[in-house]
Amino acid sequence: DVKVTQSSRYLVKRTGEKVFLECVQDMDHENMFWYRQDPGLGLRLIYFSYDVKMKEKGDIPEGYSVSREKKERFSLILESASTNQTSMYLCASSSPRAKAFFGQGTRLTVV
Amino acid sequence: GENVEQHPSTLSVQEGDSAVIKCTYSDSASNYFPWYKQELGKRPQLIIDIRSNVGEKKDQRIAVTLNKTAKHFSLHITETQPEDSAVYFCADVTASKLTFGTGTRLQVTL
Repeated sequence: DVKVTQSSRYLVKRTGEKVFLECVQDMDHENMFWYRQDPGLGLRLIYFSYDVKMKEKGDIPEGYSVSREKKERFSLILESASTNQTSMYLCASSSPRAKAFFGQGTRLTVV
Repeated sequence: GENVEQHPSTLSVQEGDSAVIKCTYSDSASNYFPWYKQELGKRPQLIIDIRSNVGEKKDQRIAVTLNKTAKHFSLHITETQPEDSAVYFCADVTASKLTFGTGTRLQVTL
């Protein structure tokens, strides 16, 4: 069965902390994505990657960075967490122009 | 794609009625248009998709239409049932970038 797994379901961090969100997929997909989901704003794309070590900014990259050292793993990094980064974070993966599969989400609270 | 607009943001229909959700996109290079359903507390899941070389696709009670000239695509759900209640997202893909609309909360009432 297809799997996209995010490292944490719930996370609480303090303002200013460096935060790592990990995502692993087992489908050998080329594309991986990080979104944040906020009420009324839908799924907003933070960063995506179409190959190992390749990354592209999405629509809201400010305050975030990413790393893709291996094909199956895509990490989202909050360099210095702020309260406005409190959100649900969703990772997804896909083959080019094909169905995307989502992880279960990480609800991050920054206090 | 660059920008995907989705309407309406909320939709309430009676059981058995039809529901239509509309999206527009801005990038003419977009070539793949999936629709996702997200039930409360769950991850989004694909329910139907359409490629740019097709005008319409149907799967049981759901159908999607694409008008490339107008850059519109729509989701149609017929004979709605309570289990269709969820948030629906349209999306488009341009050069590996998967962009979503803001979502439509569909409520099917008895």
